[in-house]
Amino acid sequence: GENVEQHPSTLSVQEGDSAVIKCTYSDSASNYFPWYKQELGKRPQLIIDIRSNVGEKKDQRIAVTLNKTAKHFSLHITETQPEDSAVYFCAATTGMEYGNKLVFGAGTILRVKS
Amino acid sequence: ETGVTQSPTHLIKTRGQQVTLRCSSQSGHNTVSWYQQALGQGPQFIFQYYREEENGRGNFPPRFSGLQFPNYSSELNVNALELDDSALYLCASSWLALSDTQYFGPGTRLTVL
Repeated sequence: GENVEQHPSTLSVQEGDSAVIKCTYSDSASNYFPWYKQELGKRPQLIIDIRSNVGEKKDQRIAVTLNKTAKHFSLHITETQPEDSAVYFCAATTGMEYGNKLVFGAGTILRVKS
Repeated sequence: ETGVTQSPTHLIKTRGQQVTLRCSSQSGHNTVSWYQQALGQGPQFIFQYYREEENGRGNFPPRFSGLQFPNYSSELNVNALELDDSALYLCASSWLALSDTQYFGPGTRLTVL
């Protein structure tokens, strides 16, 4: 079945620096790759997503890149702020009879130091 | 605002008991997926319901079962609770035909003693 690996498990950056989180997936048929941010005790919130027909997508300080050949995708956060501190999860879809299910990485704890 | 709601917020049960968790999907969404999130881990897919039928299942035993109702709300039932079932249970809704994007509810924190 689909496997998603996520690195690093923890990441500490200084406020204003950039943060990069990387994920690899195993199912070459995966076609949708969302990123979720989860603050302590709260629900995972979708922050950005990318589909397999696109190589890069940006939304203000957040960007995601996808390399289908290498089967990896990355989250880039620029000009980090203390409120970016949270756990970030990548995910990849794998197909079922109707629709897809999401397979998640183990998460990255991002700490932004002010 | 996602609009996905879950109840109850917290629940404490003892080993061997049964539990029912509830989820109301976002307006217009006809698909509900359930996930188990153990402490410090990513969500793990339990199963998905589409038009009141189970659409797919993850690596969970049959004592995990579910229902989806005509209004697309859903229940997760767990029988014969084990200590390892302690986790945050998340539901996520999506509009299957248009998008794979899933929106999560706030979760139910289940503690099994």
